Amino acid sequence: DAGVTQSPTHLIKTRGQQVTLRCSPKSGHDTVSWYQQALGQGPQFIFQYYEEEERQRGNFPDRFSGHQFPNYSSELNVNALLLGDSALYLCASSLDGGYNSPLHFGNGTRLTVT
Amino acid sequence: AQSVTQLGSHVSVSEGALVLLRCNYSSSVPPYLFWYVQYPNQGLQLLLKYTTGATLVKGINGFEAEFKKSETSFHLTKPSAHMSDAAEYFCAVSGGGYQKVTFGTGTKLQVIP
Repeated sequence: DAGVTQSPTHLIKTRGQQVTLRCSPKSGHDTVSWYQQALGQGPQFIFQYYEEEERQRGNFPDRFSGHQFPNYSSELNVNALLLGDSALYLCASSLDGGYNSPLHFGNGTRLTVT
Repeated sequence: AQSVTQLGSHVSVSEGALVLLRCNYSSSVPPYLFWYVQYPNQGLQLLLKYTTGATLVKGINGFEAEFKKSETSFHLTKPSAHMSDAAEYFCAVSGGGYQKVTFGTGTKLQVIP
C-alpha cells in the first residue's frame, strides 16, 4: 500500500521564479494538506484541499496556491519566489480531514531559493 | 485558536534512561492532541493521539502520553530510551472536525550510548 508520495524531492529555484510541487495521497485518502517547514521549525499549515476545493487556509500570501484533482492528488504552486520561501514542503493526506483520521506525511520536497 | 508549546528544543538522555518530552497546549475548544516523530530527511510519522476517553494514551515504539486538562499538558514519555529513538518530536493540536493541525517547534532527542 503506497503511502504519500511527493515530487520532486529537491528543487533549486531563483528569486522571482515560480514552482509547482506535487503530491499523491495515501490510497483511500481524499484530503490533502500542505505544510511549510523552515529549518529548525515545526510545520506551518498552508492550506487543505477536499473535494477539489480549498477548505481551509493558513496565514500565507496569495502567492501560494493549490489545486486538487479528481484522483485526489494535489499541487502546490508558489509564484514570485522569495529567499524566505526556502523550506521543506510537506504534503499530508487524511480521510475527510477529520480528527479521527490522522495526517499521513510524505517525505517532502526541499525547495532552495537562491 | 489552538497552539502548543514544547519546552526544550534539545533533550539528551542516556540509553536505557527515561525519556520525557514536554508539551503544553492552548485551545478554546476541547483539544485533540498528537505526537509525531521526524527522522532526518523524512516526513512526520504519528506516534500517538488523544481525542476523547482515556487520558493515558499508548503509541508505537513504547511511547505514551497523558492528557492533563488541569495542567493543559500532554507530555510524551518512554521508560527506556533506545538509540533508535534519536529523532525530532513534534507535539500538535487540533480543534477537531475539519480544523487544521497546529504543530509545536519540535524537540530534538539525543540518545547517548
